[in-house]
Amino acid sequence: EPEVTQTPSHQVTQMGQEVILRCVPISNHLYFYWYRQILGQKVEFLVSFYNNEISEKSEIFDDQFSVERPDGSNFTLKIRSTKLEDSAMYFCASTRGSETYEQYFGPGTRLTVT
Amino acid sequence: GIQVEQSPPDLILQEGANSTLRCNFSDSVNNLQWFHQNPWGQLINLFYIPSGTKQNGRLSATTVATERYSLLYISSSQTTDSGVYFCAVEVPDNQGGKLIFGQGTELSVKP
Repeated sequence: EPEVTQTPSHQVTQMGQEVILRCVPISNHLYFYWYRQILGQKVEFLVSFYNNEISEKSEIFDDQFSVERPDGSNFTLKIRSTKLEDSAMYFCASTRGSETYEQYFGPGTRLTVT
Repeated sequence: GIQVEQSPPDLILQEGANSTLRCNFSDSVNNLQWFHQNPWGQLINLFYIPSGTKQNGRLSATTVATERYSLLYISSSQTTDSGVYFCAVEVPDNQGGKLIFGQGTELSVKP
């Protein structure tokens, strides 16, 4: 069964460093998302991406964040200068976008900023 | 914006017991999904259920969209059912929109 994959599973970085989180969505899906979950809290939406552009972003998704689909398979989230409060689990998700809008989530990348 | 409220926040069950988890939402939705977050943090899709009733083994879900709630039933619970159950809704701004999650119900099933 196709699934969303994410790398790395765990990333430790120092405050102020840039990180890139990578995702490979399900191959025939058209809509892509990033969500984050701070430990013990609910899952929060960051950004959605469709037709090679951002379709919606939350207030969390400020100028420090960017997304890119550099080729036909990868979808990346970049944080330019990490802060302690960026420590969280980051989930990538995708949906087919026709017939069904069920979103499928990757296993997550746990980001720890020290 | 839309509010998604789940109850109860915590639930402790003895193995073999049945339970009902509830999700209330404050406005019309396009879609509704139930997830199980396992102890490793993975979000596992349980149901995609904007309306009606679905069953999958020991789990079933019902969404009554006109009354803005959804229920997740777990029968004959097992220790592997432990974890956090999230309800998430998509608002009808546009298709393919973001999911808004509730706070979750943390379920602990004791042997």
